[in-house]
Amino acid sequence: QQQVRQSPQSLTVWEGETAILNCSYEDSTFDYFPWYWQFPRESPALLIAIRPVSNKKEDGRFTIFFNKREKKLSLHITDSQPGDSATYFCAASQGGRALIFGTGTTVSVSP
Amino acid sequence: DAGVTQTPRHEVAEKGQTIILKCEPVSGHNDLFWYRQTKIQGLELLSYFRSKSLMEDGGAFKDRFKAEMLNSSFSTLKIQPTEPKDSAVYLCASSLGQNERLFFGHGTKLSVL
Repeated sequence: QQQVRQSPQSLTVWEGETAILNCSYEDSTFDYFPWYWQFPRESPALLIAIRPVSNKKEDGRFTIFFNKREKKLSLHITDSQPGDSATYFCAASQGGRALIFGTGTTVSVSP
Repeated sequence: DAGVTQTPRHEVAEKGQTIILKCEPVSGHNDLFWYRQTKIQGLELLSYFRSKSLMEDGGAFKDRFKAEMLNSSFSTLKIQPTEPKDSAVYLCASSLGQNERLFFGHGTKLSVL
């Protein structure tokens, strides 16, 4: 059973639009939620991360919205650019344990 | 400034063979992780070491997969015996510590025939 779920599996948006990626989790003790992105033929890299003390984390065009009660979070990419085309992984961990990754959302931004 | 180094980049094995994948973490990093990546399952944890001690062992991978950390700058992942379903990209990552950024290597693409 997948402890971290992501939807949709893939997403296509036009350049300039906002892409919304969803993530949900099972374990209420998770206390760290990073998002990693992965470009074709490259390895994953950290994009942005949030801890449950906050319900929002912003870094440029990327924003995480976090809902602890519903055990959900989302990543919003505003003003999407073709260079944002990648696979985005939501991950979670608790108490210093290893990250558990979702299966990813592949985003394609069309010019 | 060396990142995480994995060798080999590609490995082709016959079913039943033993293969050993290698990883050198970023110098000074205390945590080392082995993940397996496939399109269907995504990133699955195989092993997690902290200061050379095994902290977590991916439950589904215990029987044929064995990771070791011989010293703070070198780790191996042994798969014995290999099966076709083991075909995947094996990623090694390291970090400074708890909840710190993971730095991934380029991975080893394993094909088992």
